[in-house]
Amino acid sequence: GDSVTQTEGLVTVTEGLPVKLNCTYQTTYLTIAFFWYVQYLNEAPQVLLKSSTDNKRTEHQGFHATLHKSSSSFHLQKSSAQLSDSALYYCALSEGETGNTGKLIFGLGTTLQVQP
Amino acid sequence: NAGVIQTPRHKVTGKGQEATLWCEPISGHSAVFWYRQTIVQGLEFLTYFRNQAPIDDSGMPKERFSAQMPNQSHSTLKIQSTQPQDSAVYLCASSFTQEVFFGKGTRLTVV
Repeated sequence: GDSVTQTEGLVTVTEGLPVKLNCTYQTTYLTIAFFWYVQYLNEAPQVLLKSSTDNKRTEHQGFHATLHKSSSSFHLQKSSAQLSDSALYYCALSEGETGNTGKLIFGLGTTLQVQP
Repeated sequence: NAGVIQTPRHKVTGKGQEATLWCEPISGHSAVFWYRQTIVQGLEFLTYFRNQAPIDDSGMPKERFSAQMPNQSHSTLKIQSTQPQDSAVYLCASSFTQEVFFGKGTRLTVV
């Protein structure tokens, strides 16, 4: 079946240093859209990044990710972590470039802790 | 735009009791989803509706869980004979095209 794998449950990084959250996937869908969701404490998950184009970098709020279909990956990166980035991050895939189904398959999530 | 509204935000039920969770999607959104969030399983898909019609309930435990969408302004998730393992945050979400917007969830605790 289709699945998303986030290998780290917890990532701890010092403020100002780079951070990378890993995401790989398996899917039988011919066309896919990918998302990173961020969830702050007691808040709803919200979209951070989205992409459906192979090898194209997408950026938002200082974070960036590139969908690589050759390696089935969509890793999230930031060059300089901020204290306010501490949150739970989910990688997810949705069938179809237009994603009309909207059904999302999530990884287990990675908690990012940024320490002073 | 108040976003996706879920009520109640917290619910405590006794083992064996019924729990009904409510969701008001964003006005104009044609798709409504239910997810369950736990530390162990992350965000699990339960079911979804498009234009009020059930489309995919592949994630729903078959025996005690049911979902309905009687009109375009609300959906309910009902859990009969609740068990401690049903304790989780239940998230409702809606979408118009590709991006899915989540509510803050209902934290269900079964004691």
